[in-house]
Amino acid sequence: AQKVTQAQTEISVVEKEDVTLDCVYETRDTTYYLFWYKQPPSGELVFLIRRNSFDEQNEISGRYSWNFQKSTSSFNFTITASQVVDSAVYFCALTPSNDYKLSFGAGTTVTVRA
Amino acid sequence: DGGITQSPKYLFRKEGQNVTLSCEQNLNHDAMYWYRQDPGQGLRLIYYSQIVNDFQKGDIAEGYSVSREKKESFPLTVTSAQKNPTAFYLCASSIGESIEQYFGPGTRLTVT
Repeated sequence: AQKVTQAQTEISVVEKEDVTLDCVYETRDTTYYLFWYKQPPSGELVFLIRRNSFDEQNEISGRYSWNFQKSTSSFNFTITASQVVDSAVYFCALTPSNDYKLSFGAGTTVTVRA
Repeated sequence: DGGITQSPKYLFRKEGQNVTLSCEQNLNHDAMYWYRQDPGQGLRLIYYSQIVNDFQKGDIAEGYSVSREKKESFPLTVTSAQKNPTAFYLCASSIGESIEQYFGPGTRLTVT
């Protein structure tokens, strides 16, 4: 069974502050994939990143960066110099290799104040 | 534009009535999914379909039914047997397994 824990329910920051979202997962599979999604107030989930369990390189995309640490079963997400448009619910998710089913965390609500 | 459409955005029904939520995709994806989202919770998988004319139960299939007669369409019926049907329903699709899923805008169902 897979489990994804996002311990932070809500985070509130002032614009231009950095914000880090924690994601801890549990799985017995040796090969698996991790994802981050953004859900803005409109409700539609937007795919941000997919990372496989063999690739522990950190990734940066613009103001977004991801830190994958297999040793601690964590896949944390940092928004640098946050903007009001970053206000959303962010979900971390996990799926084993060769599986269709995604297990989602409960989500972290990020509010960026101007 | 390629994407996933769900209609309607808001749906209201009386208790005891079945209701069908629409999901259509023109991404040529083989797999499609239905999720339920309750306030303050993550998404829970209701049903998924890997290919036309085939579908599997997810974690919370009781009280729901689906069909997959066409690659583009995966309608979800919320039956009167579903005890707490009021929720936000999201449809998604993907090329295959272990790959990112793309989501529709969702349907907010309210049953009173």
